Amino acid sequence: SAVISQKPSRDICQRGTSLTIQCQVDSQVTMMFWYRQQPGQSLTLIATANQGSEATYESGFVIDKFPISRPNLTFSTLTVSNMSPEDSSIYLCSVGYRGRTGELFFGEGSRLTVL
Amino acid sequence: QQQVKQSPQSLIVQKGGISIINCAYENTAFDYFPWYQQFPGKGPALLIAIRPDVSEKKEGRFTISFNKSAKQFSLHIMDSQPGDSATYFCAARITSYDKVIFGPGTSLSVIP
Repeated sequence: SAVISQKPSRDICQRGTSLTIQCQVDSQVTMMFWYRQQPGQSLTLIATANQGSEATYESGFVIDKFPISRPNLTFSTLTVSNMSPEDSSIYLCSVGYRGRTGELFFGEGSRLTVL
Repeated sequence: QQQVKQSPQSLIVQKGGISIINCAYENTAFDYFPWYQQFPGKGPALLIAIRPDVSEKKEGRFTISFNKSAKQFSLHIMDSQPGDSATYFCAARITSYDKVIFGPGTSLSVIP
């Protein structure tokens, strides 16, 4: 298993600003993912964070809006850029191991409110 | 085609009863079917999972039944307890893309 810490746990932001969410894992992991969960809704995959290269984005998500970094096997960041109220959501960092990628471990999420 | 359908959206069960949540998929590229449990304010946690070459898997009070020909699978929670009250997500993994797709979720309430 893996223990995942996300910062911040919650934040209230103004429209037009950007916020960076950090994800720290207590051990080296193969795969890191970022999901979005809107209140009462399911989880939607934003992107796969690739170490040392550009993230792989899902349909509907673009790098300019959600830039992602992954400098090593234990850390990743997700930035939500030029925020609007529609970006209000919970953003979840998730990790897995190649060959066992169905077994995901999640952080507790970062609850973002955009005014 | 990368969608996973789930029903019911919400479920209320008496303590000691059986909770049943159903899921269906279309994409035959899915090769692993986990279930996740999420409590309010927490991230989802893996509960139990099954591969399509197995028809049933049981872990304690939790059982997955899998029907490959019908492309359906279900979670049964036996002797449901108030502590089981949570949101349950079925999911499916696409091996070739190393990613997991989640169903819309079922909010389970177990009442005394």
